[in-house]
Amino acid sequence: AQSVTQLGSHVSVSEGALVLLRCNYSSSVPPYLFWYVQYPNQGLQLLLKYTTGATLVKGINGFEAEFKKSETSFHLTKPSAHMSDAAEYFCAVSDLKGGGADGLTFGKGTHLIIQP
Amino acid sequence: GAGVSQSPRYKVAKRGQDVALRCDPISGHVSLFWYQQALGQGPEFLTYFQNEAQLDKSGLPSDRFFAERPEGSVSTLKIQRTQQEDSAVYLCASSLGQGPSGGYNEQFFGPGTRLTVL
Repeated sequence: AQSVTQLGSHVSVSEGALVLLRCNYSSSVPPYLFWYVQYPNQGLQLLLKYTTGATLVKGINGFEAEFKKSETSFHLTKPSAHMSDAAEYFCAVSDLKGGGADGLTFGKGTHLIIQP
Repeated sequence: GAGVSQSPRYKVAKRGQDVALRCDPISGHVSLFWYQQALGQGPEFLTYFQNEAQLDKSGLPSDRFFAERPEGSVSTLKIQRTQQEDSAVYLCASSLGQGPSGGYNEQFFGPGTRLTVL
């Protein structure tokens, strides 16, 4: 069974500082990995995904993540935080059941707080 | 274009009542997923449809939960005899399904229905 662990339920950074949100996964097969962002009272929006190919993936809003197989990690980073980045962030792994039946297993989320 | 829509956005039910939550996926999307997101938690998979066929219902927590997608488009998640532990946000997502090369197609999420059971 897949599982996702997000270290730190809350992360606080100053505006302009580096953002680092940690995600570790367990998977019996090469995974597909995702980061989603959720603003209050809104649905999940895909930030970026890793499926195959380059292990450093770039997403929207200046975020990027690196897939490290040896560490089973997929940490999310952004060089300079902006106030608008304050939101809930979820790391997810695809269940890889094939045939389009790829339900997602999510971590518990990290609430990102931006200090002015 | 229109995204995934869900209705109602908020639902308050008394314990024991039945509720029905609706999902309108993006037109042409073959795959449809339901997730349950409890307060302070990540979404958890409930069930999956490919067109009108419910291919996976392994995440449904009890036989009080029932989902359907009779014409392969709109889906309804029904919860019978609601309990307080059913209080959560119910998210619907749709995707194009598996691509011709077997690649992954992104799931697009609706805004969710917040269910509160009193």
